[in-house]
Order: sequence, then C-alpha cells, then structure tokens
Amino acid sequence: NAGVTQTPKFQVLKTGQSMTLQCAQDMNHEYMSWYRQDPGMGLRLIHYSVGAGITDQGEVPNGYNVSRSTTEDFPLRLLSAAPSQTSVYFCASSGGRGANYGYTFGSGTRLTVV
Amino acid sequence: AQSVSQHNHHVILSEAASLELGCNYSYGGTVNLFWYVQYPGQHLQLLLKYFSGDPLVKGIKGFEAEFIKSKFSFNLRKPSVQWSDTAEYFCAVNSGNTGKLIFGQGTTLQVKP
Repeated sequence: NAGVTQTPKFQVLKTGQSMTLQCAQDMNHEYMSWYRQDPGMGLRLIHYSVGAGITDQGEVPNGYNVSRSTTEDFPLRLLSAAPSQTSVYFCASSGGRGANYGYTFGSGTRLTVV
Repeated sequence: AQSVSQHNHHVILSEAASLELGCNYSYGGTVNLFWYVQYPGQHLQLLLKYFSGDPLVKGIKGFEAEFIKSKFSFNLRKPSVQWSDTAEYFCAVNSGNTGKLIFGQGTTLQVKP
C-alpha cells in the first residue's frame, strides 16, 4: 500500500525547459490535486480533478497543465519553466465521499528553475 | 471566492503551555474543515477534520478544534504542548464537496524545551 507516490523527489530545470511531475495513487481515490508550497504562502492549489477525464483550475493554474486519463495517475506538466515556478510541489488524493475524508499527500517534489 | 486566513504566522511557546491557533474562512455555504500538520522535512498529515455534528472535534496527539459557524472560525487547541509539536500547521476548507481544498498560509509553531 504505497499511498500517493510522486516522482522525481528533486529536479533542477533551466528556464524554458518543460517537464512532467508524476503522481500516482493506489487507493482508487476519485479526487486528486496538485499544490505548490512557498514560504509564507501556505499551499496553493494549482489544478484538481474529481475523476478520470475531469479536471479544473485552482488558485494558481498559469504555466501548468494537467490531464487525468486514469483514476490512478495525475501528472502535472510545466510547459516552459520559469524561476517563479521554483517551489515544492505536492500531489494529494482523497477517496470516500470525495474531499470529505481529507486528502492524503505525497512526499513532494522540490523543483528549482535556474 | 473561497479563502482561508490564519492569524498567527509564527508562535513560540514553552513546553506545557497551552496552544490556540486561529483560522477563519470566507464561504457562506456548507463547508468541511481540516487541520494539517507538517513536521520539518515531511509531508502534510491530517490532524483532525469537521464535517457535521458536534462542533468540538478531537484529533490525534491531543489536538482539538472548535467550529463556530457564526464566526466562520475553526481554531485549533492543545492544552499542553510538547517539544515534538514543533511544526507548521495548516487550516484548510473544502466547500460543498467540490474537490477543491483551499489552505491558509500556515502557522509555524516553535516549542522550546
């Protein structure tokens, strides 16, 4: 029972490069979300999904894309990395009656854009 | 738009002191409320949650929170903190089971031995 798995754990990108942060959960959860954590700003919601094929924007979606082709996977794509996207990224999932049960978080991806 | 505000950004306490961290939200409809904790170098863990019923909710590690609907508040309390409670604490709100969980800015708690 792995829970929520994020890869990679660390990444350094050059400005303008693209990459995909991977997130997978093995709990058959319907709800999945991506957050970024920055000092003094808490966690800000980037994108979220309430099921396969359904995604929506969160508080800070610009510069990021998502898709949800399966229940298990919810990758986050950075189209053209910028220094402002340097952050720690967390993926989370929730089951039961959706977010009512609270989210389970992955261990995070620390991204640095130079 | 839904928002969450945590009043205390950095709290320093001595061991055995009592703790209360404030959390207010702005949303007029049905809400689900959460407190998460993040220990240094770790990911977020759920402390407690409120969906309905008794507004006083008990969580893990001796924490509790009280939902006061008229004040749009969900404050976290602990009667006697320990050094191991040093961590960052986040209040979060989900409105109407939309799958959209919004966090406050976080409160860093430092407990001195």
